[in-house]
Amino acid sequence: QPVLTQSSSASASLGSSVKLTCTLNSGHSGYSIAWHQQRPGKAPRYLMMLQDTGNYIKGSGVPDRFSGSSSGADRYLTISNLQSEDEADYYCETWDSYTRVFGGGTKLTVL
Amino acid sequence: QVQLQESGPGLVKPSGTLSLTCAVSGGSITSSNWWSWVRQPPGKGLEWIGEIYHSGSTKYNPSLKSRVTISADKSKNQFSLKLSSVTAADTAVYYCARENSGCLGGWGQGTLVTVSS
Repeated sequence: QPVLTQSSSASASLGSSVKLTCTLNSGHSGYSIAWHQQRPGKAPRYLMMLQDTGNYIKGSGVPDRFSGSSSGADRYLTISNLQSEDEADYYCETWDSYTRVFGGGTKLTVL
Repeated sequence: QVQLQESGPGLVKPSGTLSLTCAVSGGSITSSNWWSWVRQPPGKGLEWIGEIYHSGSTKYNPSLKSRVTISADKSKNQFSLKLSSVTAADTAVYYCARENSGCLGGWGQGTLVTVSS
C-alpha cells in the first residue's frame, strides 16, 4: 500500500518562502496527493490536490501564495510570502481503490 | 458549499462502543462521493478510519477493520461510525470528511471522544 513520508518540522521567516516535502514509497511514485493545513486547535483544511505531473487544483479561498509541484516520488507544497497565520501542521494524503493514508505531518514554524 | 457536523457522546467507557454521526448539509449523501471518518489522538497525526459510498460499499483501515462499522442513512442525509471494544488508545478527535476527486475535499469541525471510566 502507499506510504507517505514527511519531515516532522520546518521553519522559515516571516515574508520568506518555504517548501515542504511529502515522499511516496517505492512503487507508488505516480500517485496524486492532497495537502491539508491544520492550524492549532482547528480542523484540517483542504489546500490542494497535486498530481505527479505537477498540476494542482486548489480549494476554495486558498491564497495564491500556496502552490504545488512534483518531482519523481516527491510532492511539494511551497508557501511564499509567509504570514503568521501559516504557522500550522501540514499533512499530505494519498489514496487508492482500497485505502487512504496520511503522512505524519510537518509542523511549520514562522519565525 | 457542503457542510459536515459530527455529533455523539464525548465520553465512552472502556470496552464500550463509540458511536458518532455526521450530518451533511448543503449537499446530498447520495452524490458521487465517498464519506469518510478520520481521527486524531491528542498531539498526534491523522489516521483514516474508513469510508462509505451511498450504495453501501465500505472501505476500512485494516488496523481497525475488526471493530469498525460505517453506515449511511439517506433519509436523514447522514452517515455514522461505530467503533467497538474501545480502550484509552481510541481517545481522539474524530472528524468526518467528504471525498472529492479522490482526496478529502471537506472536513467537519471534529468532536473529541474520551475513553475513560
